[in-house]
Formats: sequence, C-alpha cells, structure tokens
Amino acid sequence: SQQGEEDPQALSIQEGENATMNCSYKTSINNLQWYRQNSGRGLVHLILIRSNEREKHSGRLRVTLDTSKKSSSLLITASRAADTASYFCATLQTDSWGKLQFGAGTQVVVTP
Amino acid sequence: EPEVTQTPSHQVTQMGQEVILRCVPISNHLYFYWYRQILGQKVEFLVSFYNNEISEKSEIFDDQFSVERPDGSNFTLKIRSTKLEDSAMYFCASTPSPAEAFFGQGTRLTVV
Repeated sequence: SQQGEEDPQALSIQEGENATMNCSYKTSINNLQWYRQNSGRGLVHLILIRSNEREKHSGRLRVTLDTSKKSSSLLITASRAADTASYFCATLQTDSWGKLQFGAGTQVVVTP
Repeated sequence: EPEVTQTPSHQVTQMGQEVILRCVPISNHLYFYWYRQILGQKVEFLVSFYNNEISEKSEIFDDQFSVERPDGSNFTLKIRSTKLEDSAMYFCASTPSPAEAFFGQGTRLTVV
C-alpha cells in the first residue's frame, strides 16, 4: 500500500457511537497528523503525534502510533452528526522539508 | 486566530489559459506549500518553498507550474497553460517549522 493509507474507506455509525479508523505508512516519519475535511471544504488540522509518542488525546479524539508496525489509529468517541466528514492521515517523513504525504481518507457518516 | 487565506475560492478558466492562485500565509511562518486534491482523490503534494526558493517539488510540479513570493506576504502558484486535468482543489499551507501545517480553505480550479 502507499504511504499513509487509511482503512476503512468508509464508516457509517450512529450518534453516540465511537468511530475508529486506521492509517498505515511505509517510511520513517517525524510525525503523523490527522486532518478532517468537510465535503468540498478545506483541511482542518485535528491532532499531531510525534514519532516518539505512543498516544495522544485531544477532547474526544484519541490517536495512537505504533512505529514498529508503521500504523496509527484515530478514535472519535461519542460521535456527533457534526463529525460527518472525511478524515485523512498525513505523514511527515524524516528527511523532508515538511512535505506531507496524505492517505486516501476515511469517509465517516454519523447519523442522528 | 491567524489563518492562511486563499483567493479566489473558485476560479473557472479556459483550457490553455494561465491562472494565478493566491495565498497569504500566516505572517511569521517560514515554510510554504502548495497541495492539490483532484475531486474524490487524496491530497497530493506539489511544492515546498523556503528562503525564497523551492526546497522540494513533486513529479506533478512540471514546467507548467511556478511559485513566487513576490512581496513578502503573498505566495502564488501559477499554471501557465491549464489543462483539463488541472481541475482540482488547490491548497496553500504554511508553517513556522517543518512540522504541523496550517492549511487555507482552498481554491477550486475548474478548467473548461
């Protein structure tokens, strides 16, 4: 798979449920970031986890990083209809000038 | 809160015409980027710019593309002779250091 691939591609859940999506990557990274994009809109930065961190929390978001497996997960707890969006992981490689490599994204639909 | 601003939000142009997409990065940032997202696809890196020169570019960023920081505040992407396949959302990003990127809302370019 390519750098920064997410699964599942699509996720449909009900309000109040948790949403979990995963990201895998191939090369050494400096950090991994998660972004949200509402349909046709801009990218909103959610959370950044550095390569020496294993877990990070921000509000209802929980991110894990396993550098040995080259994978990360994003958990959204107690989802709301407003969480409906596409979620992308993006990796910053260790030898880059800040170039982010994005995955294909997970489309999350939260129904009331 | 400071933000990256992009203009226009939507541009329609005829094939073969030149377009300039404009971005105002956050004022104390030093690294600037352009990304694009073809409809329904992943976000792709185009170019990074630091210290008034290109630091990295992708295969997509061919001779038809150029970037400029003409006046210390704006950061522009020029496409010399647009093709139909240039139709995409173009995102500008900036950052004080090659870590977390701050994205603008994007310019939707439609080539007809």
